[in-house]
Amino acid sequence: DAGVIQSPRHEVTEMGQEVTLRCKLISGHNSLFWYRQTMMRGLELLIYFNNNVPIDDSGMPEDRFSAKMPNASFSTLKIQPSEPRDSAVYFCASSATGTARYEQYFGPGTRLTVT
Amino acid sequence: AQSVTQPDIHITVSEGASLELRCNYSYGATPYLFWYVQSPGQGLQLLLKYFSGDTLVQGIKGFEAEFKRSQSSFNLRKPSVHWSDAAEYFCAVGNYGGSQGNLIFGKGTKLSVKP
Repeated sequence: DAGVIQSPRHEVTEMGQEVTLRCKLISGHNSLFWYRQTMMRGLELLIYFNNNVPIDDSGMPEDRFSAKMPNASFSTLKIQPSEPRDSAVYFCASSATGTARYEQYFGPGTRLTVT
Repeated sequence: AQSVTQPDIHITVSEGASLELRCNYSYGATPYLFWYVQSPGQGLQLLLKYFSGDTLVQGIKGFEAEFKRSQSSFNLRKPSVHWSDAAEYFCAVGNYGGSQGNLIFGKGTKLSVKP
């Protein structure tokens, strides 16, 4: 089985540009989590969805960040406009239902560098 | 609210030596507890989980963890460390405040292995 798939794996962009990160959930999973990891702040939960519905977006830093689930298996995280302080590794993770809803499976991450 | 504390930021052990990584949680009832490992440049991988039952749980790569309710702890152990175990380890607890299965992560413990 394929795990969580993220693209691109690396993104380098200039300040002010729009950045879109993509994530494909594991087949059969219905919860999706976006995280950001930096040396200074560690692992931060940005937003999570259940059955395509955003449940908690309190971790989204500001209005420049937005996330969507256009269908049950795919999500995007968009930053517009990007800033150097957005440089980080962004992970998505998915989980199933019931007790397994807490077992999150992580993608390999997207390393974003904003210059 | 639940919380997770990993008291050790960085631990160094010799290859072949035993390992114990500490994790303390804050929650009134029986929590769902997890250990994840992150190798350099990789996403987080689930090592083991505790939901209920036997308080000693076995995971992948020869790791085990013991749930001790009286100490609010879920320490990770391995009897003999291999150089490939060098990584960052995260303890996490299921967030019961959110019904959809988000986790609260500790800040991680970085493990270095001496030859």
